[in-house]
Amino acid sequence: QSALTQPASVSGSPGQSITISCTGSRSDVDSYDYVSWYQQHPGKAPKLIIYDVSDRPSGVSNRFSGSTSGNTASLTISRLQAEDEAHYYCTSFTTSDTWVFGGGTKLTVL
Amino acid sequence: EVQLVQSGAEVKKPGESLRISCTGSGYSFISYWIVWVRQMPGKGLEWMGRIDPSDSYTKYSPSFQGHVTISADESISTAYLEWSSLKASDTAMYYCARQYGMRGGMDVWGQGTTVSV
Repeated sequence: QSALTQPASVSGSPGQSITISCTGSRSDVDSYDYVSWYQQHPGKAPKLIIYDVSDRPSGVSNRFSGSTSGNTASLTISRLQAEDEAHYYCTSFTTSDTWVFGGGTKLTVL
Repeated sequence: EVQLVQSGAEVKKPGESLRISCTGSGYSFISYWIVWVRQMPGKGLEWMGRIDPSDSYTKYSPSFQGHVTISADESISTAYLEWSSLKASDTAMYYCARQYGMRGGMDVWGQGTTVSV
């Protein structure tokens, strides 16, 4: 199974909004509402920020939102803050009863 | 407090065997899958496989099937990731995480175990 496709990097200024895409196929993103997003700061374990496409765990800022359209999932971060600078990974359930991650996107806050 | 605590860093030689652990506390261990995730140096996250501790059903990524074994002992709330013969390419950080079945995502993560071969 192939990894989901994410842009290698995105950037934005404080206060702006950015969107990270996650492109899969009919074998994963396009077939299930089981897409999650994770934030990982250097040297730290990943942190769940979005699950089931658009739900936020308790304690996660409402500046983070998720959506899907066809075979592409998206993570939007509004009102960018310096602390948002990190790597972001999407993951989706697949028709093989497995999960697959995206390659990851490095977000730089300018 | 809900947490997953992983065993410490390991330094091994090629061909050696290894088992690392992930112990859950603060929740019903059998109610959540345990997932293992690999992160090679400077690289992204890779889903290796998962186990349902309630019945020990396991599912592996095709990329890892046959190379590792995932198991669990519900009596001590611990899941394991095991290699019978390590390779240099197994050098990585390994994370465990819990997941409430299909839904909910991986909401609690271990601190990671570094394996150097």
